[in-house]
Amino acid sequence: DTGVSQDPRHKITKRGQNVTFRCDPISEHNRLYWYRQTLGQGPEFLTYFQNEAQLEKSRLLSDRFSAERPKGSFSTLEIQRTEQGDSAMYLCASSREQALNQPQHFGDGTRLSIL
Amino acid sequence: AQTVTQSQPEMSVQEAETVTLSCTYDTSESDYYLFWYKQPPSRQMILVIRQEAYKQQNATENRFSVNFQKAAKSFSLKISDSQLGDAAMYFCALTPALRTSKLTFGTGTRLQVTL
Repeated sequence: DTGVSQDPRHKITKRGQNVTFRCDPISEHNRLYWYRQTLGQGPEFLTYFQNEAQLEKSRLLSDRFSAERPKGSFSTLEIQRTEQGDSAMYLCASSREQALNQPQHFGDGTRLSIL
Repeated sequence: AQTVTQSQPEMSVQEAETVTLSCTYDTSESDYYLFWYKQPPSRQMILVIRQEAYKQQNATENRFSVNFQKAAKSFSLKISDSQLGDAAMYFCALTPALRTSKLTFGTGTRLQVTL
């Protein structure tokens, strides 16, 4: 169990640029989640995959956001035309398919700063 | 819709003492799970303890225990024999049992541990 890995740890970019983050879940976990956490707040759900299928998207996920999980392994989250309000910590989590007591395991997150 | 409320932005406890963090929630689901997650500064979020709503017995994990009051929709975390390493943000979270398992988090409580 190597844990959930996220890359990069930090990303600084100018407003209007596109950014892409990567998440590698724990290998046997088929569920993958993206959350966004702003300063002083708890994480907010963005989207969820079961294997390669994106099953739910939050209304927080505007048209500028897109997430993929090709082949049901790693996932990418892309933000196009970044805005100041996109500055946040983006957290990835993974878990096994729903069963009793299967918690989500979180990565270290990617901190995005928009200049 | 689900909501999780943590009304204590900050708490402080002396080493070796006991502290209780409060959490209330609201959900229309009949079956759900409740969690406490710990997020140390600049480190990943880790699961502290979980409670299944259909279980009346309060969960315990070593020095951590919960007081689950289902009728009152209250889920407090008690930390006994506090240690310096317990200093962190603590988030209460809720997920329905039979759906996507996305977590709804509270705003967190920052716990300081003093000598």
